[in-house]
Amino acid sequence: KNQVEQSPQSLIILEGKNCTLQCNYTVSPFSNLRWYKQDTGRGPVSLTIMTFSENTKSNGRYTATLDADTKQSSLHITASQLSDSASYICVVTDNQAGTALIFGKGTTLSVSS
Amino acid sequence: NAGVTQTPKFQVLKTGQSMTLQCAQDMNHEYMSWYRQDPGMGLRLIHYSVGAGITDQGEVPNGYNVSRSTTEDFPLRLLSAAPSQTSVYFCASSYSRDRGEPQHFGDGTRLSIL
Repeated sequence: KNQVEQSPQSLIILEGKNCTLQCNYTVSPFSNLRWYKQDTGRGPVSLTIMTFSENTKSNGRYTATLDADTKQSSLHITASQLSDSASYICVVTDNQAGTALIFGKGTTLSVSS
Repeated sequence: NAGVTQTPKFQVLKTGQSMTLQCAQDMNHEYMSWYRQDPGMGLRLIHYSVGAGITDQGEVPNGYNVSRSTTEDFPLRLLSAAPSQTSVYFCASSYSRDRGEPQHFGDGTRLSIL
């Protein structure tokens, strides 16, 4: 079964520090990989979308990388802010299953002052 | 610009009751979908629609019905509520099912079945 696994499950960092979230997937073939940010009590909001041919994509202080050979992606957050406290969800599009979106369980990030 | 609007935000039902979760978008998106989010699990697709009059089942469709009479609205109906349907429900929309475009999510309906 195609899966998307995220690590760590949760993370606590100090404001101003950098952090990296991991996403490993077994979906193949896939057309794109997405990262979403979900604030508590809100719906997910798109951060980045990368096709299989893209290695990196940035959105402000968020930088996503993709290694399609090893089926790994990471989301790097630079100079974290309190507002970065949220759940970050990795999503892979399954090209074979009618382009179904396969969602990871998310990493919960807490930024403290 | 409202985006995707879901109502109600919270609802408590008794087992066996029926209800409709509303979803409306003002972006003229053809593709709309319903997900449920449960603790410790990723979002799971319930039903989706690629345009007015066209709907299809997702991963977990049992116990739910949908219809799409207009481009803007995509309601989700619970036929006979069960405690297993206690969850947070999200509606999402995009121009197409997948051309690498971001899906826009509503802020969810938190549903408890007693």
